[in-house]
Amino acid sequence: GAGVSQSPRYKVTKRGQDVALRCDPISGHVSLYWYRQALGQGPEFLTYFNYEAQQDKSGLPNDRFSAERPEGSISTLTIQRTEQRDSAMYRCASSLGYGDSPLHFGNGTRLTVT
Amino acid sequence: QQPVQSPQAVILREGEDAVINCSSSKALYSVHWYRQKHGEAPVFLMILLKGGEQMRHEKISASFNEKKQQSSLYLTASQLSYSGTYFCGTPEINNAGNMLTFGGGTRLMVKP
Repeated sequence: GAGVSQSPRYKVTKRGQDVALRCDPISGHVSLYWYRQALGQGPEFLTYFNYEAQQDKSGLPNDRFSAERPEGSISTLTIQRTEQRDSAMYRCASSLGYGDSPLHFGNGTRLTVT
Repeated sequence: QQPVQSPQAVILREGEDAVINCSSSKALYSVHWYRQKHGEAPVFLMILLKGGEQMRHEKISASFNEKKQQSSLYLTASQLSYSGTYFCGTPEINNAGNMLTFGGGTRLMVKP
């Protein structure tokens, strides 16, 4: 079956531009998570959803970052007025949503802000 | 708070054993382990639950000491395919579910 799909795979943008990163979770997965991963580091939590409801956005660095999952399936992470420090791998993960269900990660979007 | 992993890196010869540790400053009821190969996404290995049995994935096993708030991953008779970065993840619980906080990772290289 299909895994978690993220697009684009790579995104290069100029400082100050807005970007939208897309995540298509595994079909039937209730929970969807956004993480950011710096090279050589563990994934850093950004936000997550159960169905369409955003349950926790405490990891979003500032108000330039936002996420939505309007129909409880595909999610978009938007970064406004990008800065060079936003450059990173952005990973989406999904899970069945019960207490200890494992996370299934996508291949990520590598964002480079020039 | 982020769990702390040790060591940060390990180099092994094929067939040797290794232990990777994960410690938390808060009470845990479970620990997740993931492996990430270079250029790929993290992949789930196993979950250790409070009061649960020691788990295994192929020749990789893990334990969970609730009192010490620690988990250890045991890689026995390591294979080349074990190379990668291992992450432990600990859940944060809120009313609506859970999300994982990951450690900084342990980079494992297995040489022929």
